[in-house]
Amino acid sequence: GNSVTQMEGPVTLSEEAFLTINCTYTATGYPSLFWYVQYPGEGLQLLLKATKADDKGSNKGFEATYRKETTSFHLEKGSVQVSDSAVYFCALSIRNAGGTSYGKLTFGQGTILTVHP
Amino acid sequence: ETGVTQTPRHLVMGMTNKKSLKCEQHLGHNAMYWYKQSAKKPLELMFVYNFKEQTENNSVPSRFSPECPNSSHLFLHLHTLQPEDSALYLCASSQLLAKSSYEQYFGPGTRLTVT
Repeated sequence: GNSVTQMEGPVTLSEEAFLTINCTYTATGYPSLFWYVQYPGEGLQLLLKATKADDKGSNKGFEATYRKETTSFHLEKGSVQVSDSAVYFCALSIRNAGGTSYGKLTFGQGTILTVHP
Repeated sequence: ETGVTQTPRHLVMGMTNKKSLKCEQHLGHNAMYWYKQSAKKPLELMFVYNFKEQTENNSVPSRFSPECPNSSHLFLHLHTLQPEDSALYLCASSQLLAKSSYEQYFGPGTRLTVT
């Protein structure tokens, strides 16, 4: 089956520190990979995505590279801000060989990030 | 209005009440989803609708009843709930066509408290 494993949280950092949140996956078929962010009291927002091996997704200073050889999609940011405090979810969806999504996302358990001034 | 909207944002109901959650997507997508998010637990997929047809029901108790009258609207009808059903209920939509966008877009959620 398909699964996503994220590093255990919570993660606590000082402002301007470097962030890494690890994500590894197991999947059959051709996975697309996503990072979602959930701010307090809100729904999930798509942060970035990558659809094939070696793709790099990026948004708002966050980056993640689709590594097929290590089945990983680690999230990184060079300098975090207090406003980045949120829960981060790694997720995957499976496309068949024709490129059609089966329409289901498999999520990791989420990693709580707290950034202090 | 854009994106995915959900109403109400907060709901408190007794175990004998009947209520409904509403979701509307303004993105032209053809698939919609209900998720349950409880504290300390992973996100749980409840129902999937693809072109208004229910394609997945992940062993959800019958006290939760989904309805998808068209590709833009999704409801979750609630009756005789239990306190353990208290959670954040999230709606999402996506476009399921070959080689098109397939990521899901989420609404802000309905915070449900069952007393």
